[in-house]
Amino acid sequence: QSALTQPRSVSGSPGQSVTISCTGTSSDVGVYDYVSWYQQHPGTAPKLMIYDVTKRPSGVPDRFSGSKSGNTASLTISGLQVEDEADYYCCSYAGNYNWVFGGGTKLTVL
Amino acid sequence: QVQLQESGPGLVKPSQTLSLTCTVSGVSISNGAYYWSWIRQHPGKGLDWIGYIYYTGSTYYNSSLKSRLTMSLDTSKNQFFLNLNSVTAADTAVYYCASESTGTHFDSWGQGILVTVSS
Repeated sequence: QSALTQPRSVSGSPGQSVTISCTGTSSDVGVYDYVSWYQQHPGTAPKLMIYDVTKRPSGVPDRFSGSKSGNTASLTISGLQVEDEADYYCCSYAGNYNWVFGGGTKLTVL
Repeated sequence: QVQLQESGPGLVKPSQTLSLTCTVSGVSISNGAYYWSWIRQHPGKGLDWIGYIYYTGSTYYNSSLKSRLTMSLDTSKNQFFLNLNSVTAADTAVYYCASESTGTHFDSWGQGILVTVSS
């Protein structure tokens, strides 16, 4: 299966909102509501931020939200903070017990 | 809280077998609510799902690695394992083990282990 498509980079100023897109196909994002998002700071393991398209694990600020329309999922971060600067990866179930990740998006907080 | 820790050699020679162990604490790997996964990240690149194993021993592999891949588990030690044979430089990556508590996302991750394939 092919990787999901994410923008290589996005940026925003503190307090602003940014949205990161994740485009898949009708075989993954478009058909399953099992899209998750991970935040990764340099040299550390990924951290789950959103699962099942819109759900937030306990401890994740409500500034992080997820959505999906058709074959594209999105992660929105509102009220940007400096500590949000990181790489973000989307992931989707692709059927037949397979998972596919996006290529990752580097978020810069200016 | 589930905690995972990868271990194994950091250097493997080309054509040999990469073998890693993931030690789990906080939950029994025999807990049927969990799947146990391996994910890797090539240097400076994105994440790639390798495969996962269920407590029954059932395995599900990325089709691109399936011919070289074996996963197993030892419930007595609360560990699961990755074996990838015939490695090349393209297998150089940070390898993570992770848990899936509902089968829809990877909720806990190990810290990762860098494995370099080089002679």
